[in-house]
Amino acid sequence: EVQLVQSGAEVKKPGESLKISCKGSGYSFTNYWIGWVRQMPGKGLEWMGIIYAGDSDTRYSPSFQGQVTMSVDKSISTAFLQCRSLKASDSAIYYCAKWHDSSGFDYWGQGTLVTVSS
Amino acid sequence: DIQMTQSPSSLSASVGDRVTITCRASQGIRNDLVWYQQKPGKAPKRLIYAASTLQSGVPSRFSGSGSGTEFTLTISSLQPEDFATYYCQQHNSYPWTFGQGTKVEIK
Repeated sequence: EVQLVQSGAEVKKPGESLKISCKGSGYSFTNYWIGWVRQMPGKGLEWMGIIYAGDSDTRYSPSFQGQVTMSVDKSISTAFLQCRSLKASDSAIYYCAKWHDSSGFDYWGQGTLVTVSS
Repeated sequence: DIQMTQSPSSLSASVGDRVTITCRASQGIRNDLVWYQQKPGKAPKRLIYAASTLQSGVPSRFSGSGSGTEFTLTISSLQPEDFATYYCQQHNSYPWTFGQGTKVEIK
């Protein structure tokens, strides 16, 4: 069974940094891209970027470039999203999702709720 | 960036109604379009990819059509479990982008 399991909810202060994990199982982790999607409270989905787990080739949305870093650790089948200099407006649910060829994100993590508050 | 515009932003419908949601791309994206359904508190779920291919396990009352810049998602007979928010997403060129969503509510 394919699963993406994300790390738990986080509460951070403005200016702090954050690293969310997304562990894949039940499939060949290094053969697929992992994408990251932000959903602010009550809002829609925002595509942040995507990383190929095999060689860490990464594409960022310009809206997030420079603010986040995507990475993978193939040895533990885990993708990471690191966010720097957090602001209150970064409070959101962050999802990782597995991209299947040209057929969309077929499996999603459960989401990680991030709250940034002083 | 390619902008994806969904209409309507929300709609109210009754069980059994036929519902159509439109997604327009600001430039041609061939058929590089995916539709997702999201229920409150849950991760999105893929419904349709390549604009018109139904994901395995998704009820046949869902269908997608279109190519280029205009796409539609149709629910032929709305069921209680279909009340949710629907998003289109293009993957023709980076940055990939989602539509703003269409919330389908109970009338």
